[in-house]
Amino acid sequence: GAGVSQTPSNKVTEKGKYVELRCDPISGHTALYWYRQSLGQGPEFLIYFQGTGAADDSGLPNDRFFAVRPEGSVSTLKIQRTERGDSAVYLCASSLFGPNTGELFFGEGSRLTVL
Amino acid sequence: TQLLEQSPQFLSIQEGENLTVYCNSSSVFSSLQWYRQEPGEGPVLLVTVVTGGEVKKLKRLTFQFGDARKDSSLHITAAQPGDTGLYLCAGFRQTGANNLFFGTGTRLTVIP
Repeated sequence: GAGVSQTPSNKVTEKGKYVELRCDPISGHTALYWYRQSLGQGPEFLIYFQGTGAADDSGLPNDRFFAVRPEGSVSTLKIQRTERGDSAVYLCASSLFGPNTGELFFGEGSRLTVL
Repeated sequence: TQLLEQSPQFLSIQEGENLTVYCNSSSVFSSLQWYRQEPGEGPVLLVTVVTGGEVKKLKRLTFQFGDARKDSSLHITAAQPGDTGLYLCAGFRQTGANNLFFGTGTRLTVIP
């Protein structure tokens, strides 16, 4: 497709389980961002990739969260030992270049519910 | 931590009324963007402002970037039900982290 694609759209898991969320950015976009959004609030920055490398991971809340982008395209956000507080919508965005250079295109998000 | 505070958090108005949403920070931003988000979807860019004091108009929406590049406002004239949604300001900081920080959001409901 032409837009940012995120899978799964919904994920329900139990406390303590491992979760992977996938983001397929717009073809040719070098920058990729992960955000987390709680209901009615603004997105909270998690991590930013420029190509294959994590240029800024200062938003990851703790070491249970990890993200990769091995070939500079698809990215996976990995959450270990999930907790109820991890429940949120996880948004992925891509842009043609890097920061300060224009529009971020967002996917529809992956809604994670931890029971 | 969100660097950008938006006010009001919630706004419910009648169709045809005017409204202003504010976005404030103590940090300086090299550019600031406004997004609109509908339920179940990701945010969609409305406008980018770059120069301090800049004013941009998009049909019934007017965006202003503060002179010191620390704040912004969004004014909607003659609001319509189709304007209903979550409005988010977002900025690229001038120094330090090189990612886009989002504001706390303003949920607007326009009643027909």
